[in-house]
Amino acid sequence: QKEVEQDPGPLSVPEGAIVSLNCTYSNSAFQYFMWYRQYSRKGPELLMYTYSSGNKEDGRFTAQVDKSSKYISLFIRDSQPSDSATYLCAIQPPAGGTSYGKLTFGQGTILTVHP
Amino acid sequence: DSGVTQTPKHLITATGQRVTLRCSPRSGDLSVYWYQQSLDQGLQFLIQYYNGEERAKGNILERFSAQQFPDLHSELNLSSLELGDSALYFCASSRTSYDTQYFGPGTRLTVL
Repeated sequence: QKEVEQDPGPLSVPEGAIVSLNCTYSNSAFQYFMWYRQYSRKGPELLMYTYSSGNKEDGRFTAQVDKSSKYISLFIRDSQPSDSATYLCAIQPPAGGTSYGKLTFGQGTILTVHP
Repeated sequence: DSGVTQTPKHLITATGQRVTLRCSPRSGDLSVYWYQQSLDQGLQFLIQYYNGEERAKGNILERFSAQQFPDLHSELNLSSLELGDSALYFCASSRTSYDTQYFGPGTRLTVL
């Protein structure tokens, strides 16, 4: 079983739509959860960083973590064509272990927002 | 621009050859990570260095090796290259092992 599972899509939505991106993970010990955005031919850039369960909002983006079901989500409100990219969820092991800063990524979801 | 630089941007080489990828971390960052991104495997962690010392290892092949130098730049050496090594190789850096990782633009390796 993969440590992180993410639906690769692709996902195509009209401008202004609400987008929901999701990942599941297998190891309940993980406490740090991230969403990265990757434009074509570029490196991933950090969008959202959350610790433990709950919601975190940043402008049009909301990250949600449900540790009881090992489910993480990213919502994009009022989506724009500039949001078209690949979105990667990532998990990081807790501090003090031997994996240190290793990030485990989902497969990535390709999102296209069309005008 | 993340502040992480990688050279070269593109590399085309033949099977059996050896290449070196270079990474300069953001100013002040002590930790450097290498990741491989391919269509079938996605983005996978290879290895982490912190202030010159190896800290964590992922599924890095024995044909691959890395090091971090006293000036904190890092090199990833890939030898006896195979077609399947063709991928994007990213370097990331962070202040410590648990700070945000900032990714460089990547090196696209094509093995013919």
